[in-house]
Amino acid sequence: ELKVEQNPLFLSMQEGKNYTIYCNYSTTSDRLYWYRQDPGKSLESLFVLLSNGAVKQEGRLMASLDTKARLSTLHITAAVHDLSATYFCAVDSGNTDKLIFGTGTRLQVFP
Amino acid sequence: DAGVTQSPTHLIKTRGQQVTLRCSPKSGHDTVSWYQQALGQGPQFIFQYYEEEERQRGNFPDRFSGHQFPNYSSELNVNALLLGDSALYLCASSPYYSGANVLTFGAGSRLTVL
Repeated sequence: ELKVEQNPLFLSMQEGKNYTIYCNYSTTSDRLYWYRQDPGKSLESLFVLLSNGAVKQEGRLMASLDTKARLSTLHITAAVHDLSATYFCAVDSGNTDKLIFGTGTRLQVFP
Repeated sequence: DAGVTQSPTHLIKTRGQQVTLRCSPKSGHDTVSWYQQALGQGPQFIFQYYEEEERQRGNFPDRFSGHQFPNYSSELNVNALLLGDSALYLCASSPYYSGANVLTFGAGSRLTVL
């Protein structure tokens, strides 16, 4: 059974600091997705990583994928309050559109 | 261009009742997937519909059923509701065989079972 684990589950960080969220998955897959979810809202796609070594950046967020280690990271640079949300990684199970999600990392950025 | 629309946005039911949730896919998308997201958890795949047939199913009991109409819209039905069915139900659409990289999620229907 494919499993996706994220850590930490909760992250409280000060504005201006850097941190990394980790996503490990249990089976071979070369497609990994990062989503953002604000409270009570739907999922917003952040990054789609489609090959080993893929790195994508958008603003203060950068995501990378190591398929050999079955690991993806989401790095936050100089955090700001607007980044406060829950972040999910998800892996394509090999079937079209069937995503297996991690439990999420709830990020809180404070002044 | 409207994205994925879901209705209702919120609803409250009691144990044992039945509920129907509706989803209209994004224009140009013909495949609809449903996910259940319990509070504090990641979404879990329920099933996927394409060409009016269920193509894939996750680990959900038969109380969860669905339907897809010729216009690609979809319904999720849950019978004999349990307290544990309380969750946000997300609909996602995509063009078939396109992969999850073009998956678009709706805003969800929040179901509370009392």
